Amino acid sequence: AIRMTQSPSSFSASTGDRVTITCRASQGISSYLAWYQQKPGKAPKLLIYAASTLQSGVPSRFSGSGSGTDFTLTISCLQSEDFATYYCQQYYSLQTFGQGTKLEIK
Amino acid sequence: QVQLVQSGSELKKPGASVKVSCKASGYTFTSYAMNWVRQAPGQGLEWMGWINTNTGNPTYAQGFTGRFVFSLDTSVSTAYLQISSLKAEDTAVYYCARGDCSSTSCPPDYWGQGTLVTVSS
Repeated sequence: AIRMTQSPSSFSASTGDRVTITCRASQGISSYLAWYQQKPGKAPKLLIYAASTLQSGVPSRFSGSGSGTDFTLTISCLQSEDFATYYCQQYYSLQTFGQGTKLEIK
Repeated sequence: QVQLVQSGSELKKPGASVKVSCKASGYTFTSYAMNWVRQAPGQGLEWMGWINTNTGNPTYAQGFTGRFVFSLDTSVSTAYLQISSLKAEDTAVYYCARGDCSSTSCPPDYWGQGTLVTVSS
């Protein structure tokens, strides 16, 4: 099974900051990579698919990049509503989620 | 609009069984895969597997074979997750999530609200 490793597991940032979350696959997955945002008590929300394609309705401050084994999610200017947990997911071979990155307010 | 509405919370004793439903609306049910995802308290997301809503063929991820069964009733656009011989470690929120195509080669785009299953004596 393909393993997905995110870093960091958690970190603190301030409104207005630019933040980057990294996701690494245990083997090449081309661009079959999605990013989700989850807030407490809520279902995950799809932000990005195909590594860099923004889901409809998602603000343009979110962006994704990468292919093969290394991927990043960038939030260009943090807003208060962006403090949440983020998950990467591969769907190249069945599906696997990363362990999550919790983004907290500094 | 696409909606997935899951059944309500369940409290079960160890050894019992539970069946969670996921009713879809707003799209052609048999044209999109249905995934199941588990989230234990305070933990991350685990992909449990998926069911082909056209053929009814299920695929289970490692760790979700034997006691977990995915099924469908296409006449009412509903997917089901049944868990038998419940253990305390099955306590979690279970989500159904529509795949954006008919296989696993696309990410879940719409999610149910989640069903909390609590296993306790």
